[in-house]
This record gives sequence, structure tokens and C-alpha cells, in this order.
Amino acid sequence: DIQMTQSPSTLSASVGDTVTITCRASQSISNNLAWYQQKPGKAPKVLIYKASNLESGVPSRFSGSRSGTEFTLTINSLQPDDFATYYCQQYNTYLFTFGPGTRVDIK
Amino acid sequence: QLQLQESGPGLVKPSETLSLTCTVSGYSISSGYYWGWIRQPPGKGLEWIGSMYRSETTYYNPSLKSRVTISADTFKNQFSLNLSSVTAADTAVYYCVRPYGDYGIDPWGQGTLVIVSS
Repeated sequence: DIQMTQSPSTLSASVGDTVTITCRASQSISNNLAWYQQKPGKAPKVLIYKASNLESGVPSRFSGSRSGTEFTLTINSLQPDDFATYYCQQYNTYLFTFGPGTRVDIK
Repeated sequence: QLQLQESGPGLVKPSETLSLTCTVSGYSISSGYYWGWIRQPPGKGLEWIGSMYRSETTYYNPSLKSRVTISADTFKNQFSLNLSSVTAADTAVYYCVRPYGDYGIDPWGQGTLVIVSS
């Protein structure tokens, strides 16, 4: 199985900050990785697919990148609506796996 | 617009089988795509349960494989999850989803909470 790790597990930030969340795969997954945002009581919503492609309708302050098996989600100029939990997910095989999540809360 | 909606009992007794149905609107599941289930225990992360393609092909989380069955009813345009021999550890919000190839998992149902308790 492909294991996904995420860091940090919690991140405290202020409106206007730039935040970075890292996700690492235990083996090569090419660029078959998505990022999701989840708010309390709601289903996750895809933000980024194929490591760096912005989902339609998602603000451009969200971006994704890849370096080998390390993936990064960056949020520029954090907005109040961005305080949420973020998950990465690999789909390189049909045995999908998620990272444990990163909660972004208000400092 | 493709939409998914979960339904089923919100309370299941230990050792019994959890059964949920996902009703799909806006697309015929017999036409293609994978369909699947993901769960999230209260306050915890997301766990993929399994996926199905036209009932021909299924992929299950190895940790749940011995207890899981995902199947389709194409006449009703629904697919289902059966999870046998449940314990309290299976208490979670269960989401039905469409794994959408390169585009990640989209859409998701709203989720349904299932509590395992006597």
C-alpha cells in the first residue's frame, strides 16, 4: 500500500499569511495527487488535481506543486473562508489513500 | 448536474451488517465511471473503503476487504455498500463518491452518520 504523510498536522495562521502544507508519498505516485478542503459538517471539496491543476471555481490563491514524492499545497493571502482541514490523496493506483490531514486555524 | 445521496440506517448493532445505498442523479451509472465509498470516523481523517466499475470490477481497502461488498443496481441507478460484522470502530460518516480519474474524487454525497451501538 502507498502511505501518505502530511505536515504539519495543525497550522495556526492569520488572515493574509501565506501557508504551506506538505504531503509525502511512500513511493512514486507520479503526479496522481489531489488536495481537498473540508469544513466542519461538510464533505471534502477538491481544490487541486494532478498535483498542480486548479479545480474550476477554486480561487487562484491556492496552488500545488510536486518534487519527486513530495507535494505542496500553498495558500497565498489566507482568507477567513480558508480556515479548514486539508487532505492530500493519491490515486496512482485504485487503492486510494489519504494523508492524515492538516487543520488550519486562526492564530 | 451529477449528484449523489446516501441513505440507510443511522444505527447498527455490533456484529450486524451495515448497509447503505447511494442514489445517483444526473448520470446513468451503467454508462461508465467508477463509484465508491469513503468514511470518516468522528473527529478523524478520511478512509477509502472501495470502488466499483459497472459491478464488473471492484477494488477494496485491504484492511476492510474481508467484510466489504460494493454493488450496483443499474435499474434504480444506485450503488450500495455492505459492511459485515461491524464494531464500534466502524462508527463514521459514510460518503458515496465518484472517483473521477485524473480529476480526483468529485462529486461527494453529503455523507450519512452511522453509529454502531447496541
